[in-house]
Amino acid sequence: DADVTQTPRNRITKTGKRIMLECSQTKGHDRMYWYRQDPGLGLRLIYYSFDVKDINKGEISDGYSVSRQAQAKFSLSLESAIPNQTALYFCATSDNRQGAPNYGYTFGSGTRLTVV
Amino acid sequence: QQPVQSPQAVILREGEDAVINCSSSKALYSVHWYRQKHGEAPIFLMILLKGGEQKGHDKISASFNEKKQQSSLYLTASQLSYSGTYFCGTEGPGTSYGKLTFGQGTILTVHP
Repeated sequence: DADVTQTPRNRITKTGKRIMLECSQTKGHDRMYWYRQDPGLGLRLIYYSFDVKDINKGEISDGYSVSRQAQAKFSLSLESAIPNQTALYFCATSDNRQGAPNYGYTFGSGTRLTVV
Repeated sequence: QQPVQSPQAVILREGEDAVINCSSSKALYSVHWYRQKHGEAPIFLMILLKGGEQKGHDKISASFNEKKQQSSLYLTASQLSYSGTYFCGTEGPGTSYGKLTFGQGTILTVHP
């Protein structure tokens, strides 16, 4: 089983609809992130969470919201989807425990979202 | 502000070498490097934490000049499997600690 699982893998939705992307992890990491990837722009940070009670906006949070339901679960919502939110969305985790080897971020397989 | 990667694209033949650069306008605490195959998740390659530190991973190594806020990724004797898009991710001190800002990516294509 994958360490970081994203659902759904693909989604087509209509403009104005509310949609939720889900992320769950089995790595036991406290830190979780949501990134958006667009061609030529790299990965841009939407929201991040350092623990269950800590939620922070990233550089492009407008139009998005998140929920950290548990250490292992971090969901991203588009309140009212618009076509320019069409993109590939990645969830990632990282380990900040004292003394833990640093293996960087672990990414999920991504959710390809199309808003029509 | 995103770090700037150069070049934007590189085309190589097997066995040739390449260098990918990453430059930031902000002070850096660390630099990460990732490789992404088309349609897949980015995979972590290495992290550099100190000025001048160089790390290696098989035939892929990297350096980090903290004073110049720059990092370079070196791929030697390239293999077909090295093809993909390479991203640097930079982490700053202070309020930027703990989150990565990624460059726009460098597309590396290795031909037989």
